[in-house]
Amino acid sequence: QKEVEQDPGPLSVPEGAIVSLNCTYSNSAFQYFMWYRQYSRKGPELLMYTYSSGNKEDGRFTAQVDKSSKYISLFIRDSQPSDSATYLCAMSGSNYKLTFGKGTLLTVNP
Amino acid sequence: NAGVTQTPKFQVLKTGQSMTLQCAQDMNHEYMSWYRQDPGMGLRLIHYSVGAGITDQGEVPNGYNVSRSTTEDFPLRLLSAAPSQTSVYFCASSPTAGNRNTIYFGEGSWLTVV
Repeated sequence: QKEVEQDPGPLSVPEGAIVSLNCTYSNSAFQYFMWYRQYSRKGPELLMYTYSSGNKEDGRFTAQVDKSSKYISLFIRDSQPSDSATYLCAMSGSNYKLTFGKGTLLTVNP
Repeated sequence: NAGVTQTPKFQVLKTGQSMTLQCAQDMNHEYMSWYRQDPGMGLRLIHYSVGAGITDQGEVPNGYNVSRSTTEDFPLRLLSAAPSQTSVYFCASSPTAGNRNTIYFGEGSWLTVV
């Protein structure tokens, strides 16, 4: 079993839809959870960061962490064509290393 | 406001050739790392450095060397390129190793080994 599982999609939604992206993990030592957005032919950029369990909201984006289920989610409200990108989940324990999911390709259609 | 700069952007190598991917950051970050990104594999850590003079192996270090003689630069060397090293390479930096919420990635280097 891979440490981090992420459905690669692709996911296609109409503009204005609510998008739900998810990752599951197996390593109970993970405490730091991140979502990155990566546009085509660009480097990843940090979108959301959460420590331990709970929710975090930033504008149209909400990150949720459920450590008991080893499950994290990213919700995008009122999705826009500019949200079209690959979304990567990443996790880390007490060491320095990030473990990434494979990424989910999202397309928001006008 | 350069951030993390990678060169070259694109490179084609023949099997057995050597080359160096350059990475420079102007933010005085202690922690720097190299990842490769392959279709269906996500980002995988190759090597990392917690400061000048200190490097360590990541998840997929075979075939790659690194050094960190200055805080700013963290080059990745391919000693004898193989087709399996065809990938997109990303350099990243953060103020310290523990700053997981302030990691900056470069724009990537696309490498093809034929």
